[in-house]
Amino acid sequence: GENVEQHPSTLSVQEGDSAVIKCTYSDSASNYFPWYKQELGKRPQLIIDIRSNVGEKKDQRIAVTLNKTAKHFSLHITETQPEDSAVYFCAAPIQLYNNNDMRFGAGTRLTVKP
Amino acid sequence: GAGVSQTPSNKVTEKGKYVELRCDPISGHTALYWYRQSLGQGPEFLIYFQGTGAADDSGLPNDRFFAVRPEGSVSTLKIQRTERGDSAVYLCASSRDSGHYNEQFFGPGTRLTVL
Repeated sequence: GENVEQHPSTLSVQEGDSAVIKCTYSDSASNYFPWYKQELGKRPQLIIDIRSNVGEKKDQRIAVTLNKTAKHFSLHITETQPEDSAVYFCAAPIQLYNNNDMRFGAGTRLTVKP
Repeated sequence: GAGVSQTPSNKVTEKGKYVELRCDPISGHTALYWYRQSLGQGPEFLIYFQGTGAADDSGLPNDRFFAVRPEGSVSTLKIQRTERGDSAVYLCASSRDSGHYNEQFFGPGTRLTVL
């Protein structure tokens, strides 16, 4: 089955610095890769996603890059702010042609120090 | 519009008891998911419905766990003979189940505590 591995498990940065979180997946047929943010005591919410027909996608301070050959994708947060502190999860589908059947990574706890 | 809702928000039960957790998805979402989340962990997949049928139930840990979605909307996760290890937050999510719109919208979760 699909394995989604996420690194690092914790990440601490100074406000204004960049943060990078990486995920690897095992099924080369996977073609949809979302990132979710979960603040303490709240539900996970989608922040950005990428499909396999592009290598990078940006949304203001957030970007996701995809390397299909190496089967990994990364979340990049630039100019980090204290409100970026949360747990971030990547996910990947495990079924060909079915992007609904997803598995999540174990999460990265990001702390942005003011 | 209304998001995904789950009831109850908290459930405390004794070991060996039966519990039911309910999920109301976003109206019109045909895909519905159940996950279990322990402290400091990612959402652990349990089961995924497309309409009324379970498209993938490979995440259900054992036969004490069962889920239904009889009319393709509301879903109930049922746990028999609860054990202390079942304590976790149970998250439900729904999505539009179309080729390009796969975002899963999560509910607030039900925190289950088995004493």
